[in-house]
Amino acid sequence: LAKTTQPISMDSYEGQEVNITCSHNNIATNDYITWYQQFPSQGPRFIIQGYKTKVTNEVASLFIPADRKSSTLSLPRVSLSDTAVYYCLVGNAGNNRKLIWGLGTSLAVNP
Amino acid sequence: EAGVTQFPSHSVIEKGQTVTLRCDPISGHDNLYWYRRVMGKEIKFLLHFVKESKQDESGMPNNRFLAERTGGTYSTLKVQPAELEDSGVYFCASSQDLRLAGGQETQYFGPGTRLLVL
Repeated sequence: LAKTTQPISMDSYEGQEVNITCSHNNIATNDYITWYQQFPSQGPRFIIQGYKTKVTNEVASLFIPADRKSSTLSLPRVSLSDTAVYYCLVGNAGNNRKLIWGLGTSLAVNP
Repeated sequence: EAGVTQFPSHSVIEKGQTVTLRCDPISGHDNLYWYRRVMGKEIKFLLHFVKESKQDESGMPNNRFLAERTGGTYSTLKVQPAELEDSGVYFCASSQDLRLAGGQETQYFGPGTRLLVL
């Protein structure tokens, strides 16, 4: 499974748009990209998932360029409650479906 | 719809004792995963059930860990005897059969069980 690289931490302010970019240079053809959010003392919470181009849901947007070697999670107008750790993971639908986790990006949203 | 639930939320035991963690997946989810986070480290995969069968148990640390999923519903993870290094947060996740999920898998996580071995 492809490993991912993302910034260790980011700072933002309420109302701003936050973009977190993740590198996955070794992504395979049948791999897809998933982002999770985790608050302290809670389990990871699914945010968004995609294979290529752009995916949008009520929480975030996911931008994936044509070469799929990176992806960007976009959080519109963040609030204090968006302070959390964000994980980018690459997975596939084959037999090996365990998720390989990094340390994620710790996002701090300031007032 | 209820999410993934785990019991207990916290457990404090002494070295050498036995602890059993339980995970109830989302109803109808055939896939069930166990993960663990040791303090300061990344979340690590332990094993994957498809229904009652172990699909992948490559992440199990040693034979002190025993996971079961009798009947293909809830799962238990027993640690016997517990050692200090087993302390951490144990997460369970579940997902649908891929044929129902359009070929992409989304794993939904429970809140975790915080285990402290003294």
